[in-house]
Amino acid sequence: GAGVSQSPSNKVTEKGKDVELRCDPISGHTALYWYRQSLGQGLEFLIYFQGNSAPDKSGLPSDRFSAERTGGSVSTLTIQRTQQEDSAVYLCASSLDYQETQYFGPGTRLLVL
Amino acid sequence: DQQVKQNSPSLSVQEGRISILNCDYTNSMFDYFLWYKKYPAEGPTFLISISSIKDKNEDGRFTVFLNKSAKHLSLHIVPSQPGDSAVYFCAASVPGNNRKLIWGLGTSLAVNP
Repeated sequence: GAGVSQSPSNKVTEKGKDVELRCDPISGHTALYWYRQSLGQGLEFLIYFQGNSAPDKSGLPSDRFSAERTGGSVSTLTIQRTQQEDSAVYLCASSLDYQETQYFGPGTRLLVL
Repeated sequence: DQQVKQNSPSLSVQEGRISILNCDYTNSMFDYFLWYKKYPAEGPTFLISISSIKDKNEDGRFTVFLNKSAKHLSLHIVPSQPGDSAVYFCAASVPGNNRKLIWGLGTSLAVNP
C-alpha cells in the first residue's frame, strides 16, 4: 500500500512569509507525528496527533508554528512569519496506534532566505 | 542536552565484515528503542527495535543488543553489504500516551566493496 506522503518535497521562501506543509499518513493510521531535522542536528519532535484526542504540541518551538489534522487523516503544519532558523527538513510519520512503529514520509526541505 | 547519543558520526566497514553501531542514553525511563536507516533525500526507514525487558533482538542480518545497566545499545549488521551504506539513527521513547521518539544524531555507515 501507499506510504506516508508529504508535499511539497522542497520549499524555498522569503523570511517573513507563511508556509504550509502537508502530510498524508498511511490509511488507517490513527497516530501522526511531525518532526524536523535541522542541519547537523538530530530529529526533533514537534507535535503529535492521536485520533480525536487533543494534540501534544509540547515540541513546537514557538507560537509561529501550528498544525492541524482534519478528519483524522491529512495534516498541515503551518509556519507563520518564517525565519532563517526555520530552515530544516520537516518529517511526518504515522503509526497504526501510538504504541506501534512509526513510518516516515520523505520530508519537506524548507529553505528560508 | 542529548538524551540519546551516537558518539561516532561515521563508520567505514569492508563488505562481508560486521558493522557495529553504538548508542548511549541517559534517561532510565526509556522503555523502547529503535534503529532507523536513512538514505539521502528519503525519510527514515524502520529497521529493528527492542523493548527494555529484553537484551537482544534479531532480524536476519540485523541484531540489536541492549545493556540496561550501562544504558547502551548496539546494532550489529553481519555480513555488511554495500546497500547498507546509509545514516543509522538510534531512537528511544518513554512510556506514555504519545510515544514520541527521542533521536540520536546518527552514524553514517559506509560499506566498501
